[in-house]
Amino acid sequence: AQRVTQPEKLLSVFKGAPVELKCNYSYSGSPELFWYVQYSRQRLQLLLRHISRESIKGFTADLNKGETSFHLKKPFAQEEDSAMYYCALSDWGGKLIFGQGTELSVKP
Amino acid sequence: NAGVTQTPKFRILKIGQSMTLQCTQDMNHNYMYWYRQDPGMGLKLIYYSVGAGITDKGEVPNGYNVSRSTTEDFPLRLELAAPSQTSVYFCASSYSILGGASGVYEQYFGPGTRLTVT
Repeated sequence: AQRVTQPEKLLSVFKGAPVELKCNYSYSGSPELFWYVQYSRQRLQLLLRHISRESIKGFTADLNKGETSFHLKKPFAQEEDSAMYYCALSDWGGKLIFGQGTELSVKP
Repeated sequence: NAGVTQTPKFRILKIGQSMTLQCTQDMNHNYMYWYRQDPGMGLKLIYYSVGAGITDKGEVPNGYNVSRSTTEDFPLRLELAAPSQTSVYFCASSYSILGGASGVYEQYFGPGTRLTVT
C-alpha cells in the first residue's frame, strides 16, 4: 500500500544546529516525492521536490530508493525555519499522500 | 492572480446541519483536490477532480459530496454534519509539470477553512 511515514511528531533544535527531518515511503511504482511546509497561520506551500534536485532556503532532500527514504536536511537551522513540515508522495492524477507531519521548533 | 481561494475561513455547525465549502482557483488548473487536516494525522484526501465534470473519491469521502461544473470551482458539500467532521479543510489545485495523468504535479493550496461541529 502507498504510505508515507514521518516518525517524529516534534523536532526541537537550537539555532545553527543541523536539522534532519525523516521521511520514509512505500510505493509500488516510481515515486515522485515532495516536501511541503506550513508556517504559522499560513497556507501549505511547496518547499522542494525531488525531481528538480534543488535547494530551497538551504534545505535539500535526496531520494534514496534503496532505503525508500526522502529525508529533509539543512546544515544550520534558523529560527524562521520553525514550521510544520510534510513529506508527500504523488499518486496518479497528482493526488498527494501525506505523512503525519513533523513540527520543527528552532530555539534561539 | 489570487491563486486558490476558500470561503468561509471559519464556521461552526450544529450536528445535522449542512453546508458548502467553496473553493475557486484562477490558474486554469485541471486538477483540484479537497483534503482534511486533523492534528497528528497529516492531510487526508477527501475527493479530487481531474477536470470539469469528473470527480472521484479519495481516502475519506464518507459524509461529503463534490461537484465540478467549471474549471475554476470545486465546492465541497457536507450533509448532516457530525462531530467527526471537525477539522481544517484545504482545497488545492495542480497542473502537470511533465504532462499526462502520470506526470509530476505541483499543488497549490488554499488558506483553509476551520470547521467545528458541535
